[in-house]
Amino acid sequence: NAGVTQTPKFQVLKTGQSMTLQCAQDMNHEYMSWYRQDPGMGLRLIHYSVGAGITDQGEVPNGYNVSRSTTEDFPLRLLSAAPSQTSVYFCASSPSLGYTGELFFGEGSRLTVL
Amino acid sequence: AQSVTQPDIHITVSEGASLELRCNYSYGATPYLFWYVQSPGQGLQLLLKYFSGDTLVQGIKGFEAEFKRSQSSFNLRKPSVHWSDAAEYFCAVGGNDYKLSFGAGTTVTVRA
Repeated sequence: NAGVTQTPKFQVLKTGQSMTLQCAQDMNHEYMSWYRQDPGMGLRLIHYSVGAGITDQGEVPNGYNVSRSTTEDFPLRLLSAAPSQTSVYFCASSPSLGYTGELFFGEGSRLTVL
Repeated sequence: AQSVTQPDIHITVSEGASLELRCNYSYGATPYLFWYVQSPGQGLQLLLKYFSGDTLVQGIKGFEAEFKRSQSSFNLRKPSVHWSDAAEYFCAVGGNDYKLSFGAGTTVTVRA
């Protein structure tokens, strides 16, 4: 019972480098989302998707791209990493078209940008 | 714009004592309200949620929360805290869109 799987768990980047955080869920959930968690700020929504081929921006989308080519996968891309993107990133999915059911979270990916 | 305020950054409580975590929200329509818990190094887990109906909601692990529309509050309570309840707790609000807003969180420390 894998649930929501995020890789990598830890990553260190230099300013200007690009990378992709992977997120996969095996629960056939339509809704998927990415949050970043920073001390004293809680979780902030970056991007979300309500189904394959459909994505939209959340609260803090700048510097991040997403795509949803399959129901299972929702990768988050950083095109040119900045120190301000140092954070813990969480992927979450929900069986409802939205979060009104329950959000199932991955274990997080800790990213440090030097 | 919707928002959530959790006034208490950190709460310390003795094992066996009661716990109340405060949550105030701002939302223009009828809100959906949630409490999530995060153990160290883990993702978040849903404790309980309120959509409509009875304003006192029961959740997992012995937690409950009360929705008070007049006070825009959704406070979380537990009558008797266990050491395993030490964690960070997040209140969240949303509505008929796909965006859920979280508060900054309250860290709970349980002392023996």
